Amino acid sequence: GNSVTQMEGPVTLSEEAFLTINCTYTATGYPSLFWYVQYPGEGLQLLLKATKADDKGSNKGFEATYRKETTSFHLEKGSVQVSDSAVYFCALNPGNTPLVFGKGTRLSVIA
Amino acid sequence: DTGVSQDPRHKITKRGQNVTFRCDPISEHNRLYWYRQTLGQGPEFLTYFQNEAQLEKSRLLSDRFSAERPKGSFSTLEIQRTEQGDSAMYLCASRGTGTGGYNEQFFGPGTRLTVL
Repeated sequence: GNSVTQMEGPVTLSEEAFLTINCTYTATGYPSLFWYVQYPGEGLQLLLKATKADDKGSNKGFEATYRKETTSFHLEKGSVQVSDSAVYFCALNPGNTPLVFGKGTRLSVIA
Repeated sequence: DTGVSQDPRHKITKRGQNVTFRCDPISEHNRLYWYRQTLGQGPEFLTYFQNEAQLEKSRLLSDRFSAERPKGSFSTLEIQRTEQGDSAMYLCASRGTGTGGYNEQFFGPGTRLTVL
């Protein structure tokens, strides 16, 4: 079946540190891959996406590359800010079907 | 249009009571999804509609749960005879079905249900 595994949190970083949140997936076919972010008290927002192998999604300084050979879609940011504190969800969409999410990783950035 | 809205934002109920949640999608979005998110977990799919037709239901959607989308606009999710295990955040999302590329799912703020 389809599933997503992402690193467990919480992750605590100092401002301007480098961020990596690992995500691997299992899927039939060729899914689209996503990172969603949930800020405190708000709904899920799409952060970035990649729809085919070797695509790189990027937004707000965050990046993730669709690696078919390692079935991974790790999220990275070179310099985190306090405002990046949130819960990050990796997700996949095997065709025009509902999203399958990972459990989420809570990031706390301290000044 | 300001996005997907859900009502209420919070609901506290006693075990055994019925509850109903409402979702108003982005206008012109013909697909509407319901997800459930429990503490420390990612959202899990419950059901989705294309226009007024309910096209898929998850095995998580027990017979105590029912969803409707009359006229293909807003949707309601009803839980009958609530149990403590139903306590969760219920999320609604909508998307269009334009041609070409991926159509993003836009999420509402959720309804947090607490069953005492």
